[in-house]
Amino acid sequence: AQSVTQLGSHVSVSEGALVLLRCNYSSSVPPYLFWYVQYPNQGLQLLLKYTTGATLVKGINGFEAEFKKSETSFHLTKPSAHMSDAAEYFCAVIGGFQKLVFGTGTRLLVSP
Amino acid sequence: DSGVTQTPKHLITATGQRVTLRCSPRSGDLSVYWYQQSLDQGLQFLIQYYNGEERAKGNILERFSAQQFPDLHSELNLSSLELGDSALYFCASSLSGRGDTQYFGPGTRLTVL
Repeated sequence: AQSVTQLGSHVSVSEGALVLLRCNYSSSVPPYLFWYVQYPNQGLQLLLKYTTGATLVKGINGFEAEFKKSETSFHLTKPSAHMSDAAEYFCAVIGGFQKLVFGTGTRLLVSP
Repeated sequence: DSGVTQTPKHLITATGQRVTLRCSPRSGDLSVYWYQQSLDQGLQFLIQYYNGEERAKGNILERFSAQQFPDLHSELNLSSLELGDSALYFCASSLSGRGDTQYFGPGTRLTVL
């Protein structure tokens, strides 16, 4: 079975600082991994995904993530946080029959 | 805008009642998924339909059912509602393959009083 663990339910950064949101996965098959963002009172928007190929994946809004098989990790980073990045971020892995298995989410707080 | 539409946006009802949530997938997408988001359970997969056929079931209660119609829109029916059914219900759609992106609708917020 597939599962995802997100370390830290809340992460606080200052505007302009590095953003690092951690995600570790467990999968019995080669994983397909996703990061989604949820703004208040909105649906989930795909930031980026890894299926096969290049392990460093670039997404929207300046975010990127690196698939590290040896560490079973898929951490999300952004070099410089912006106030508009404040939201909840979900890491997910594809489970059986294409269902998304989500982590518990990390709320990113950005202070001026 | 993901291209996935859900109606209604908000729904307030009483315990014991039945409601229907509606989802229209993105043009061309054959798969529809339903997810429930609640404070205690997080985001959980409920059920998937592919081109009108049920493909997978997750943590969906027996009081809940869904279907996908020939025009590919889907409905999620929730009956004998309980307070604990209060949650955000999301619909997502994708083409068909394992790695295809699932695009999420804005959700329906269900409040059971």
